[in-house]
Amino acid sequence: DGGITQSPKYLFRKEGQNVTLSCEQNLNHDAMYWYRQDPGQGLRLIYYSQIVNDFQKGDIAEGYSVSREKKESFPLTVTSAQKNPTAFYLCATRLGGAKDTQYFGPGTRLTVL
Amino acid sequence: SQQGEEDPQALSIQEGENATMNCSYKTSINNLQWYRQNSGRGLVHLILIRSNEREKHSGRLRVTLDTSKKSSSLLITASRAADTASYFCATDSNYQLIWGAGTKLIIKP
Repeated sequence: DGGITQSPKYLFRKEGQNVTLSCEQNLNHDAMYWYRQDPGQGLRLIYYSQIVNDFQKGDIAEGYSVSREKKESFPLTVTSAQKNPTAFYLCATRLGGAKDTQYFGPGTRLTVL
Repeated sequence: SQQGEEDPQALSIQEGENATMNCSYKTSINNLQWYRQNSGRGLVHLILIRSNEREKHSGRLRVTLDTSKKSSSLLITASRAADTASYFCATDSNYQLIWGAGTKLIIKP
């Protein structure tokens, strides 16, 4: 997990509320990713950013939004339009090209009450 | 989209035994990676094998890649309780990694 922080670790939200998950890195990596993981499942890509001020939709972007104003930060907002937001959210970074490994933060568990 | 599929979905073995898990994928790749996830934690990179490699070792880990069968295997030798985790394979696609659903490995003392 070193070098990537996600906060908070646990988050509870009421239906209809937007909530923002934080991801910060000090690895000086160019690319950052947000994944969603449901119980017993693999990772599904929500959004990714290869460079500051640029980001791309992943496979399940609907109901989510991101920004990449700084190289170190890639916050994810879960909007009220996301119909089933309860999940484990993982942020990852990658140094360079597509062949490089990804480094993961410790994750945020979001529960909608 | 998920490209990799791990097999088995779950595996329970005695400490000291070897554990083998498999990954199949659908399209051509540049490399294949294996990651480990302890319960409720982030993923940790274990090993990367390139498409022109057939076998790679790292400590107690041995990974093989058969591009003709579009499959890879991860062997953990002399398993320990600390190896209990979920193991995922991931293949590269443009600037993304495509993930399988994982194999849950339980090492019994």
